[in-house]
Amino acid sequence: DTEVTQTPKHLVMGMTNKKSLKCEQHMGHRAMYWYKQKAKKPPELMFVYSYEKLSINESVPSRFSPECPNSSLLNLHLHALQPEDSALYLCASSQPIRGVRGKLFFGSGTQLSVL
Amino acid sequence: AQTVTQSQPEMSVQEAETVTLSCTYDTSESDYYLFWYKQPPSRQMILVIRQEAYKQQNATENRFSVNFQKAAKSFSLKISDSQLGDAAMYFCAYRSNTGNQFYFGTGTSLTVIP
Repeated sequence: DTEVTQTPKHLVMGMTNKKSLKCEQHMGHRAMYWYKQKAKKPPELMFVYSYEKLSINESVPSRFSPECPNSSLLNLHLHALQPEDSALYLCASSQPIRGVRGKLFFGSGTQLSVL
Repeated sequence: AQTVTQSQPEMSVQEAETVTLSCTYDTSESDYYLFWYKQPPSRQMILVIRQEAYKQQNATENRFSVNFQKAAKSFSLKISDSQLGDAAMYFCAYRSNTGNQFYFGTGTSLTVIP
């Protein structure tokens, strides 16, 4: 199994809603990532978990709250979002750098629209 | 932080021809990884090719090859026999050998002309 699975694929939410994005991988990777991507732009790093601990938080607003319940799962909890938060949210995983190959595996993303 | 520069926002190529996408990076490290990722209209990010800095030999994957010039900090991607399915955004990325962070370039949008 060489996949990163993200759900849902599309999400429309109002500014007062609470929703969660989910990500799962069964490759044994111990680093998991959330990226935000606008059209025609590179992915912007939001959070990195390494061995289930938050290791990088790129000054993301508190309306985004990550959670890593175990080594296979990564969630992104959303609350009181703004229209400018509309974007593609990508989950990714990799081996920590001392592991093999070092590449980043991406999920297919959640296209989020905030109304 | 490392910086990755892609100086060509848009490129086009005739079907069956060859195109080269440019990437330069800035680092003081000697050991690192470099990647090219492809993002077609589906927006799925797909790894095209990977290069380890300690390897002098340029990586190749079928029609895709790189020209890795370590001293010049250059990592270009050559696509041979271009196909319509190669049309996509291409992102160059850098990963240090000492951390989990990846640094992406701004991307090159490739159009393939039939």
